[in-house]
Amino acid sequence: RKEVEQDPGPFNVPEGATVAFNCTYSNSASQSFFWYRQDCRKEPKLLMSVYSSGNEDGRFTAQLNRASQYISLLIRDSKLSDSATYLCVVNPRTGGFKTIFGAGTRLFVKA
Amino acid sequence: SQTIHQWPATLVQPVGSPLSLECTVEGTSNPNLYWYRQAAGRGLQLLFYSVGIGQISSEVPQNLSASRPQDRQFILSSKKLLLSDSGFYLCAWSVDRGRDEQFFGPGTRLTVL
Repeated sequence: RKEVEQDPGPFNVPEGATVAFNCTYSNSASQSFFWYRQDCRKEPKLLMSVYSSGNEDGRFTAQLNRASQYISLLIRDSKLSDSATYLCVVNPRTGGFKTIFGAGTRLFVKA
Repeated sequence: SQTIHQWPATLVQPVGSPLSLECTVEGTSNPNLYWYRQAAGRGLQLLFYSVGIGQISSEVPQNLSASRPQDRQFILSSKKLLLSDSGFYLCAWSVDRGRDEQFFGPGTRLTVL
């Protein structure tokens, strides 16, 4: 089993749609969780951290389910500019260095 | 604010040639520094990380090496490149204050022919 697994997609959605991505992780002791966004041929950029209580940033909502060992990202009212690859990132312990990146989920938002 | 620089942006090198990629960070002191490689269509693979000058940890056995000669400078090197070294090389930094977010440089796209 991979340490961090994501559905590679691609997800093809129309503008205005709501889309959700899930990511599972294998290490139950993992402490820190993030979502990054990566545009084609560009570096990954931090989208949001994921907290135990869940967190929201505008149209983006992240949730953590420790019991089932997965995190999710919900995008509401999709924009064309949301088209990108979304990377799930897990750090086994706070302050640790061996951050594990998922291979990413590709999203295409179409007019 | 903090910024991270990498160069060159693109590099084409023959098999067996040496490699030197440089990364510098501005606007922060004593950052943790990282080198990652991303093969086409794949996830990021951690190659090296450093918590301070001269302190390098290697994650994957390979023909690459890293050095940190200054607090905010991180260098990735190879004496002889292999075809399998092709990929997108990313440098990243994080602060050492219990926060784990990493911030990436623009990357170097390396093609070994």
